[in-house]
Amino acid sequence: ELKVEQNPLFLSMQEGKNYTIYCNYSTTSDRLYWYRQDPGKSLESLFVLLSNGAVKQEGRLMASLDTKARLSTLHITAAVHDLSATYFCAVGASGTYKYIFGTGTRLKVLA
Amino acid sequence: DAGITQSPRHKVTETGTPVTLRCHQTENHRYMYWYRQDPGHGLRLIHYSYGVKDTDKGEVSDGYSVSRSKTEDFLLTLESATSSQTSVYFCAISELEGQGAHFSYEQYFGPGTRLTVT
Repeated sequence: ELKVEQNPLFLSMQEGKNYTIYCNYSTTSDRLYWYRQDPGKSLESLFVLLSNGAVKQEGRLMASLDTKARLSTLHITAAVHDLSATYFCAVGASGTYKYIFGTGTRLKVLA
Repeated sequence: DAGITQSPRHKVTETGTPVTLRCHQTENHRYMYWYRQDPGHGLRLIHYSYGVKDTDKGEVSDGYSVSRSKTEDFLLTLESATSSQTSVYFCAISELEGQGAHFSYEQYFGPGTRLTVT
């Protein structure tokens, strides 16, 4: 059974600092996704990672995937207040169309 | 934005009453999903559909049923609502995208329905 663990659950950081969110999963998967959610809103897709070593970058966010370690990271560079949100990873269960989500990381960037 | 709507957007109902939530898409995507979101749990899959009349259970399917009689609509029914089903419900759609060895079933989410069971 696929399980997804995301950490940290909460992250408070100062503007300008760097930090990384981790997403570990328990069984083989061929696709991993990162989403952003603002309070009271729906989920917005950030990155789709489909192969070992995949790296995607958009602005101050960079996501990577290591399928051998069953680990994805979301790295934040020089954080700004606008990045404050909850970030979720989701892993596709191999051989199915199901997705299992991590519990989310609530990020607060302090000015 | 993907054409996904959910109705109602907000609902308050009493314990023991039946409730049906509707997800409607205009993208002709094959796969549709229902999730619930609760603090500390992220999103948990309730049921999903991989085609008209084809559905399967997710992580937390007890107390919920679904139906999909046409591509564009996916209904979630709480036969007898309980307070533990108070939650925000999200619908999502996906379809095979990409080429060759690189394909994705990226999900697109609806706006959500906030359900309160008193």
